[in-house]
Amino acid sequence: QVQLVQSGPEVKKPGASVKVSCKASGYTFASYGLSWVRQAPGQGLEWVGWISAYNGDTNYPQELQGRVTMTTDTSTSTVYMELRSLRSDDTAMYYCARDTGGAYVDFWGQGTLVTVSS
Amino acid sequence: QSVLTQPPSVSGAPGQRVTISCTGSSSNIGAHYAVHWYQQLPGTAPKLLIYTNNNRPSGVPDRFSGSKSGTSASLAITGLQAEDEADYYCQSYDTSLGGWVFGGGTKLTVL
Repeated sequence: QVQLVQSGPEVKKPGASVKVSCKASGYTFASYGLSWVRQAPGQGLEWVGWISAYNGDTNYPQELQGRVTMTTDTSTSTVYMELRSLRSDDTAMYYCARDTGGAYVDFWGQGTLVTVSS
Repeated sequence: QSVLTQPPSVSGAPGQRVTISCTGSSSNIGAHYAVHWYQQLPGTAPKLLIYTNNNRPSGVPDRFSGSKSGTSASLAITGLQAEDEADYYCQSYDTSLGGWVFGGGTKLTVL
């Protein structure tokens, strides 16, 4: 069965960086992309970006360009999302999810809570 | 301010039918990009509910249905059950932004 297992919660200070991992299993890793979606406390969903597990192509929202980087490790079927220059409004649950070809996601990770606080 | 507009809340009694609207623009839903819906139960990750406007993944009851017309889409839930109480989000692609957009979410309360 498809599983996406994310790394544990993080607490960071403003200006720091965080790197969250998402290990995939139960399917052919390179056949799907991975998207990241975040949810601030009590708020809605926000798209953080997409990466192809096949060739590493990425697409990020304009508001996060320059601060977010997504990478893959095909040897371990793991995707990483790094967010730099953290601000308090980056505090959120970060989800990775399997992308079906750039249109929607069909399986989600359990989420990683990133807290940015001085 | 979300690019896709949803009502903040809807409610209905058990057994009733409710609909949740998702209004976009000519750069997303109106540009013929598909609409997808997710259900998020309290304290859990979202779950795919409807994909490509009106398709249900395996395991989703046929009480849930989606439709799309013009710059809007709708999610309909018939035969409401207590377990349907959740937040619902629509999602599409926006050509002006070059990426995904979500609605602000709708909280469904089963009375």
